[in-house]
Amino acid sequence: AQTIHQWPVAEIKAVGSPLSLGCTIKGKSSPNLYWYWQATGGTLQQLFYSITVGQVESVVQLNLSASRPKDDQFILSTEKLLLSHSGFYLCAWTGGTSAETLYFGSGTRLTVL
Amino acid sequence: QQQVRQSPQSLTVWEGETAILNCSYEDSTFNYFPWYQQFPGEGPALLISIRSVSDKKEDGRFTIFFNKREKKLSLHITDSQPGDSATYFCAASDAKLTFGGGTRLTVRP
Repeated sequence: AQTIHQWPVAEIKAVGSPLSLGCTIKGKSSPNLYWYWQATGGTLQQLFYSITVGQVESVVQLNLSASRPKDDQFILSTEKLLLSHSGFYLCAWTGGTSAETLYFGSGTRLTVL
Repeated sequence: QQQVRQSPQSLTVWEGETAILNCSYEDSTFNYFPWYQQFPGEGPALLISIRSVSDKKEDGRFTIFFNKREKKLSLHITDSQPGDSATYFCAASDAKLTFGGGTRLTVRP
C-alpha cells in the first residue's frame, strides 16, 4: 500500500525567515506529485506539480519554490517568508489505477508571524 | 475566474436528515467529478466520484446526481451522522483538477 508522509506537522516562523517543507511517498514508483495551499476555511490551490525527478512546474506565483530531488520526495521552500504564506500546505500524488484520483498527505500547518 | 462553484458555503442538518450539497461548473470539457471530504487538520480524501457519461452514482449513504445539460451536480448524504461533519469539496477535471470553494457540513445530534 502507498503511504504519504509530510513534515513537519506544524511550523511557526517569523516573516523574512526561510522555510522548507517536505513530502515522501512510499510504495509507488514514479508518482505525479503536487503541492497545494489552503487558507483557513478556503479552497485548495495548486502550487506546483512534478511528473518526474528534477522537473517541477509552477502553477501560481507565491514567492515559493519546489524541487523533486528523488523519485519519492517533493520539497517546498522559500528563502523569505511573507505573512501571506500562512496556511495549510498539502502534498498529494496521483498515478495509481485511477490516475485522476489525488491522494493527499496530512498537511503542514504554517503560521507566519 | 471561478470555474467550479459550490453552495451553500455552510450547511447544518439534524442527525438522520438528508444533506444536499450543490456544485456547478462552467467548462463543458470537464468529464470527471470527484467529491472530497476533509476533516479539520487533515488532508482531503476522495469520497465518491462520477463521470460525465453517468447521471447518478451511489455509494452507501452518499449519492451524486449529475445534470450534464445544466452543468450541475449534487451530493446527497442520507441519514446524516455527526461523524459526517466535515468540509466537502466538489472538483472537476479534464486532465487538470479544479476545486470548488467547499461546503462546511455540520450534523447536529
